[in-house]
Amino acid sequence: AQTVTQSQPEMSVQEAETVTLSCTYDTSESDYYLFWYKQPPSRQMILVIRQEAYKQQNATENRFSVNFQKAAKSFSLKISDSQLGDAAMYFCAYRSTDDMRFGAGTRLTVKP
Amino acid sequence: ETGVTQTPRHLVMGMTNKKSLKCEQHLGHNAMYWYKQSAKKPLELMFVYSLEERVENNSVPSRFSPECPNSSHLFLHLHTLQPEDSALYLCASSQVLAGYYEQYFGPGTRLTVT
Repeated sequence: AQTVTQSQPEMSVQEAETVTLSCTYDTSESDYYLFWYKQPPSRQMILVIRQEAYKQQNATENRFSVNFQKAAKSFSLKISDSQLGDAAMYFCAYRSTDDMRFGAGTRLTVKP
Repeated sequence: ETGVTQTPRHLVMGMTNKKSLKCEQHLGHNAMYWYKQSAKKPLELMFVYSLEERVENNSVPSRFSPECPNSSHLFLHLHTLQPEDSALYLCASSQVLAGYYEQYFGPGTRLTVT
């Protein structure tokens, strides 16, 4: 079974600084999608960024970018210029035709 | 209403009760999902409905029974639950295109089994 591992249960960052959240996954598939979702306290989970495995170029959405290393099966999320509103649980997720898996999450704290 | 809504937001039930969770999506999607979210554990995919047909059941105990009467509504019927079933139950929907499966989540139902 495919697994998604987030090795950092908690992370903290100073406001305006940069933080990187790690994610690794295990798969034998060649075609799949990777996602980072954000779940603020007591609020709905929302998509932050997605990456298609067939694309070599790393996805970017404003202050959020990923470092996708397909051979290493690594998919880290970089948050630049961190803001207080970035404080949340972040989940890495993997999706193939037949499977959908989430990591256990990383709780990000942003210090003012 | 917009997006994905879930009712109730909080539910406390005894082990012998029968209750139902409701999910509604207003996005025109054709797939809906139930997840269980427990503290410090990965989200557990419970059920998937695509085009109103169940396509995945990840060995969920029979005390959880899903129902998808149409593409906009999804229910999770609960009976004789156990305390370890206490968790946040999330509903999600997506448009199943050729390989693209971004999911939109509801706010969840916080279930406590006493």
